[in-house]
Amino acid sequence: AQTVTQSQPEMSVQEAETVTLSCTYDTSESDYYLFWYKQPPSRQMILVIRQEAYKQQNATENRFSVNFQKAAKSFSLKISDSQLGDAAMYFCAYRSAYTGNQFYFGTGTSLTVIP
Amino acid sequence: DAGVIQSPRHEVTEMGQEVTLRCKPISGHDYLFWYRQTMMRGLELLIYFNNNVPIDDSGMPEDRFSAKMPNASFSTLKIQPSEPRDSAVYFCASSPPGWRDNEQFFGPGTRLTVL
Repeated sequence: AQTVTQSQPEMSVQEAETVTLSCTYDTSESDYYLFWYKQPPSRQMILVIRQEAYKQQNATENRFSVNFQKAAKSFSLKISDSQLGDAAMYFCAYRSAYTGNQFYFGTGTSLTVIP
Repeated sequence: DAGVIQSPRHEVTEMGQEVTLRCKPISGHDYLFWYRQTMMRGLELLIYFNNNVPIDDSGMPEDRFSAKMPNASFSTLKIQPSEPRDSAVYFCASSPPGWRDNEQFFGPGTRLTVL
């Protein structure tokens, strides 16, 4: 099974500043999908951004962008202009393009935004 | 769409009792997933269904856990008998047909406490 590693259990950022959350994964597959999910204190899991391995261009969604390094198997999330509402647990997830719809999640990074 | 619906939102029970968690996926979605989230183990996939058929139940902890999907709009996760170590948040998620970059849509979760 694929493994997804988030090496930063906790991170903090000053409001309006930029923070980068790290994610690495282990796979032998050439095509797959990567996701970042946000889980605020309400517990609801919300998709933040997704990336297909075959796409060279890094995905961007408003203040959220990724740095996808396929050779290094790295998929970091950058949050610009951090807001208080960004405080949450962030999960990185991997899904194969070949073997069904199962997601493999990392252990999460807890982000605190300091006013 | 109402999103993925889970009930109950909170459940408190005593050790040895039977617990049934319920999930209604988003209409038109043909994949359904059950996850368990704890501080110690993070987000674990328990079982997932495709077109009401269980595809992978390797994450089900033991025989005390069972899951069913009698039709496309309803699934249950049952624990019998329950134990204190089953205390966790249980999430149901669904995703639409196809293997492209489809995300999983999560329900709000059921917080289970076994005393």
